[in-house]
Amino acid sequence: EAQVTQNPRYLITVTGKKLTVTCSQNMNHEYMSWYRQDPGLGLRQIYYSMNVEVTDKGDVPEGYKVSRKEKRNFPLILESPSPNQTSLYFCASRGSPRGHEQYFGPGTRLTVT
Amino acid sequence: SQQGEEDPQALSIQEGENATMNCSYKTSINNLQWYRQNSGRGLVHLILIRSNEREKHSGRLRVTLDTSKKSSSLLITASRAADTASYFCATDPTSGTYKYIFGTGTRLKVLA
Repeated sequence: EAQVTQNPRYLITVTGKKLTVTCSQNMNHEYMSWYRQDPGLGLRQIYYSMNVEVTDKGDVPEGYKVSRKEKRNFPLILESPSPNQTSLYFCASRGSPRGHEQYFGPGTRLTVT
Repeated sequence: SQQGEEDPQALSIQEGENATMNCSYKTSINNLQWYRQNSGRGLVHLILIRSNEREKHSGRLRVTLDTSKKSSSLLITASRAADTASYFCATDPTSGTYKYIFGTGTRLKVLA
């Protein structure tokens, strides 16, 4: 089954404690991205990757890091989480940068206290 | 910056009625897509309409695109309680950033 998986689905952590949210897709997609969703603000792109070892900032990259060492995986790293990073996070992938539907993961609800 | 703006923000209808939601955007696009999101879950792609298309159908969904007005509409016919969800438009701008831009969504509630 074609899918994007994320782990963990729920995470409560404290300020400053480094964390990683994993994302994996099994569709051999080139393009992957991370979004955060906040009430009233819709989905905002954090980072995206056009292919292995090619990543770039989205609209709200501050406080986040990503890496793309393999085509299927695109982890999101918060090196020093802060309460303003409390949000619902989605990983997504698509076959090519343009003109394709996007597949979304189930989401990771992060709370930083 | 936010590209798509959905209207209305919230919509409540009876089962069997049609639901129409609109999306306006600001810049030239290659295509526009509509997604559905059930509460707190991942978005699911519904339909993609290219800039040279004016109308597209998929089951009970009908999407129109007016590039001169920079607007699109999503019509769900004969709505069901299971259609209760948030609906988002996403635009693929021609600016070359490959960044789909999502609106803030329309919350649809279908009453049984």
